[in-house]
Order: sequence, then C-alpha cells, then structure tokens
Amino acid sequence: AQRVTQPEKLLSVFKGAPVELKCNYSYSGSPELFWYVQYSRQRLQLLLRHISRESIKGFTADLNKGETSFHLKKPFAQEEDSAMYYCALSDPAGGYNKLIFGAGTRLAVHP
Amino acid sequence: DSGVTQTPKHLITATGQRVTLRCSPRSGDLSVYWYQQSLDQGLQFLIQYYNGEERAKGNILERFSAQQFPDLHSELNLSSLELGDSALYFCASSVGVGYRVPGELFFGEGSRLTVL
Repeated sequence: AQRVTQPEKLLSVFKGAPVELKCNYSYSGSPELFWYVQYSRQRLQLLLRHISRESIKGFTADLNKGETSFHLKKPFAQEEDSAMYYCALSDPAGGYNKLIFGAGTRLAVHP
Repeated sequence: DSGVTQTPKHLITATGQRVTLRCSPRSGDLSVYWYQQSLDQGLQFLIQYYNGEERAKGNILERFSAQQFPDLHSELNLSSLELGDSALYFCASSVGVGYRVPGELFFGEGSRLTVL
C-alpha cells in the first residue's frame, strides 16, 4: 500500500543551522511528491512539488527513487521557518489522484 | 474571503450522535477533498468529489458519508459517533481532478470535532 513516513515528530535547530526534514515513501509506480507546510495560525499550504524542481523560501527537495526518499532541505534555517511540515504522495490509482500525507514533522528554529 | 471555508469551526457532541460538517470550496474549484486528522496522526484521506460526483475514496468508515451539491459545496456526515471520531476534519479544494499530477490543494481551517 502507498505510504508516507516522516520519522521525526519534532526537529529542533538553531537559527543558521542546516535543516533536513526526512520523508520516505512506499509506492509501486512513479511517484509524484509534495511538501506542504502549516505555519502557526495559518492554513496548510503547498510549499513545493518535486516535478517543479524549484526552491521555495530556500527549501529544496530531491526525489531519490533508489532510497524512496524526498527529504526537504535548507542550508540555513530561519526563525520564520518554524512550522509543521507534511510530506505528501500523489496516488493516481483508479484514474483519480488523491494526496496521501505523512504524520508531519514540527520544525522549531531557535534564535 | 474567497478561500475554502468550513463550518462549524468547533463542535462538541456526545457519543451516538450525528453531525454534519460543511465546506465551501474556493471560487472556481470543482474538486473537494475531505481529510481527518486525529491526535498524533497525519491527514487521513477520506473522500474526494469532483463536480458533484464521488471520484476517490479512502478509509472512510461506513458511518461517514459525504456529498457535493450542485453549488459545489460539500457536506461530511458523521453518524453514530464514537470517542475515537474526535479529530480535526479538513476540507480542501482544487481546480480539477488532476489525473496525474494534482493541482495545488487549498485547505480550509478545519472543523474540530470533540465527542464526549
């Protein structure tokens, strides 16, 4: 079955430190992966998607099919990055996609 | 606000009762998705509608049902409520069905259900 695993519930770093939020997935086909973020008192929103190969707010994520991972990285964390981060996998089974989310990782960036 | 709106924001009820959660998608969005987030759990996909028709189903309990109306708003009905149904229920919408790559999902603020 398709599954997304985020092994860390909480990741705590200091401002300026590198950040890596881990995401592993299980999927039999060619996956489409996403990172969503929820800042305090805001709605869950899309951060980036792997097909775009983009960098958003300094974050990047590389799809590693061999390791079935899609880790989110940022070289220098900022306090405003503190938020809940969810990795998600698109499951097009049956012809209609749905997003399967991981349990989320809370990132806390300390001054 | 033309974003996704969900009502009610908070709801407290007793076991065995029935509740209805309502969602209005963003203007122009045809797809509506329902997710459940229990304590320490990720978002569990429940069901998706596109332009009034059910398109995808997740692990939705038989006690739960949903529909999307002609004006595109959606309702999630939860019946014979149990303590374990206490959760945050999110609605999201997107422009289309997204056969291969979903369009961006836009989320509501959620409806927090507490079953006592």
